[in-house]
Amino acid sequence: QKEVEQNSGPLSVPEGAIASLNCTYSDRGSQSFFWYRQYSGKSPELIMSIYSNGDKEDGRFTAQLNKASQYVSLLIRDSQPSDSATYLCAVNRQGGYDKVIFGPGTSLSVIP
Amino acid sequence: AAGVIQSPRHLIKEKRETATLKCYPIPRHDTVYWYQQGPGQDPQFLISFYEKMQSDKGSIPDRFSAQQFSDYHSELNMSSLELGDSALYFCASSGEGQGNTEAFFGQGTRLTVV
Repeated sequence: QKEVEQNSGPLSVPEGAIASLNCTYSDRGSQSFFWYRQYSGKSPELIMSIYSNGDKEDGRFTAQLNKASQYVSLLIRDSQPSDSATYLCAVNRQGGYDKVIFGPGTSLSVIP
Repeated sequence: AAGVIQSPRHLIKEKRETATLKCYPIPRHDTVYWYQQGPGQDPQFLISFYEKMQSDKGSIPDRFSAQQFSDYHSELNMSSLELGDSALYFCASSGEGQGNTEAFFGQGTRLTVV
């Protein structure tokens, strides 16, 4: 079992819809959770970080964390074609500054 | 704002040659990570450094070595290159040492082994 798993893609949504991306992790002691966006051939770009249970909103993005279920999600409201990218869920293990573990990514395509 | 700087951006090497990739972290960041990303793959953790000491090691081949210098820049040395080493190599940095910190990535070095 991979340490971080994401729902398989590709995910296609129409422009203006809500895109929902999901992620589960295996290390129950994980403390920090991140969502990165990566365009093809480019470096991952941090778009959201979340550390405590509940929702965190930033513009059109909402991250949700449920530590009991070991589940993290990212909602993108009013999806735009420019949101088309691969979204990587990442987890920093308990007490860790050592490494950030990435999931395999979910490819999102927003159809105009 | 200053970002993570990697050099070179592109590198072409022949099999069995050596390569050195450099990473300059965001100022005042003390942790550096190296990742390898093959085509269609997620970034794979190679190695990390905190305050110039190796802090963790992932799937880094024995042919590779890395270090973090006194000015916090890091170098990834790759020897006896193989065709399978062709990939994007990312460096990321984070600050404030241990704790819940965010990692920011450089633009990456695209290594092609021919």
